[in-house]
Amino acid sequence: DVKVTQSSRYLVKRTGEKVFLECVQDMDHENMFWYRQDPGLGLRLIYFSYDVKMKEKGDIPEGYSVSREKKERFSLILESASTNQTSMYLCASTDRDRGSNSPLHFGNGTRLTVT
Amino acid sequence: AQSVTQLGSHVSVSEGALVLLRCNYSSSVPPYLFWYVQYPNQGLQLLLKYTTGATLVKGINGFEAEFKKSETSFHLTKPSAHMSDAAEYFCAVSEDTGGFKTIFGAGTRLFVKA
Repeated sequence: DVKVTQSSRYLVKRTGEKVFLECVQDMDHENMFWYRQDPGLGLRLIYFSYDVKMKEKGDIPEGYSVSREKKERFSLILESASTNQTSMYLCASTDRDRGSNSPLHFGNGTRLTVT
Repeated sequence: AQSVTQLGSHVSVSEGALVLLRCNYSSSVPPYLFWYVQYPNQGLQLLLKYTTGATLVKGINGFEAEFKKSETSFHLTKPSAHMSDAAEYFCAVSEDTGGFKTIFGAGTRLFVKA
């Protein structure tokens, strides 16, 4: 089975701190994604990557950046955390090639609280 | 541009009753459609996915979804609800636009009453 591992289940950070959320997948997937999940809003795409060192903005990239130095690892960075970034963050991966409808495989999420 | 609308943020059914969760999508090209389920304190897991050519798609745990192109809908059903079905359900659409962005609906929380 595909395993997507997020390094922390819960994080509490202070306003202004730089925050790193780490995600590792073990199935050699090309595509990786970061979403945030908020009640009533579903999942919103922050950034995604379809290759090492490649990144694409999603729908809500403001205040975030990402890093993909190795194929299996995709990091989400909050340069200066703010209280409105308190949320559940979900990482996902897929081996979706062009024309394929392979599903996303999700980690268990990181619940970030910014105080 | 893609979008997904799930009608009803909360749905409550009695155990043994029909489950119907509604999803409408918009997409400029033939879409890939999915339903995911999320149990408390977990990530999302795939329930079923649409395969081109099939209008009725069967998934895990007795769920199925019907694709209606004319109505741009992909509603999820289960004939008889079980207590273990209580969870949040997300409809999602992706399309090949140079990168496989997947867009999710706002989710529907299913409550099952004994």
